[in-house]
Amino acid sequence: KAGVTQTPRYLIKTRGQQVTLSCSPISGHRSVSWYQQTPGQGLQFLFEYFSETQRNKGNFPGRFSGRQFSNSRSEMNVSTLELGDSALYLCASSPDRGDGQPQHFGDGTRLSIL
Amino acid sequence: KQEVTQIPAALSVPEGENLVLNCSFTDSAIYNLQWFRQDPGKGLTSLLLIQSSQREQTSGRLNASLDKSSGRSTLYIAASQPGDSATYLCAVSLIKAAGNKLTFGGGTRVLVKP
Repeated sequence: KAGVTQTPRYLIKTRGQQVTLSCSPISGHRSVSWYQQTPGQGLQFLFEYFSETQRNKGNFPGRFSGRQFSNSRSEMNVSTLELGDSALYLCASSPDRGDGQPQHFGDGTRLSIL
Repeated sequence: KQEVTQIPAALSVPEGENLVLNCSFTDSAIYNLQWFRQDPGKGLTSLLLIQSSQREQTSGRLNASLDKSSGRSTLYIAASQPGDSATYLCAVSLIKAAGNKLTFGGGTRVLVKP
């Protein structure tokens, strides 16, 4: 069974640009969550999607948005990039809502802002 | 607001010694607690998940305990090996209705010396 796949693995952008990151969950998993990891703030929750609906959102500005498709694949978009957006962005999937199953993470997308 | 703390931030032990990693959380109304391992530049690997109704979980050399009333969990790794060198993170999810949002500790970076 394939794991969580995130593309691309690395991205370099400049301030003001926008970026889209992609996440393909484990087959059969309907919940997809996104996290930002930085040395200073650690791992912080961005949002969660389930059945194409956002049902949880962290404390990030509106520049961070996402969506989920009918096949459970998810994309995350960041507009008007800032230097502070440089981070490892991780995606996690799980089978269903709050059913106590572990979450499985991808290897992340490393985003660098110049 | 749930806060998760892991102390110490870093730990160095000789090969063969048992590892004891600590995790504390402020809100005891957790749904479950998960321990992860992260290797440099990689995503998170799920090690153990403990439901709120459980006291411990075991997998091979790993054993995790949970004391909800005191807001603590401990991960024990028996007979450490150099391959155990990594950062270990604990994360809690709150009540089931909160979906799959995880709140992470800052992690403990472990170095096992040959």
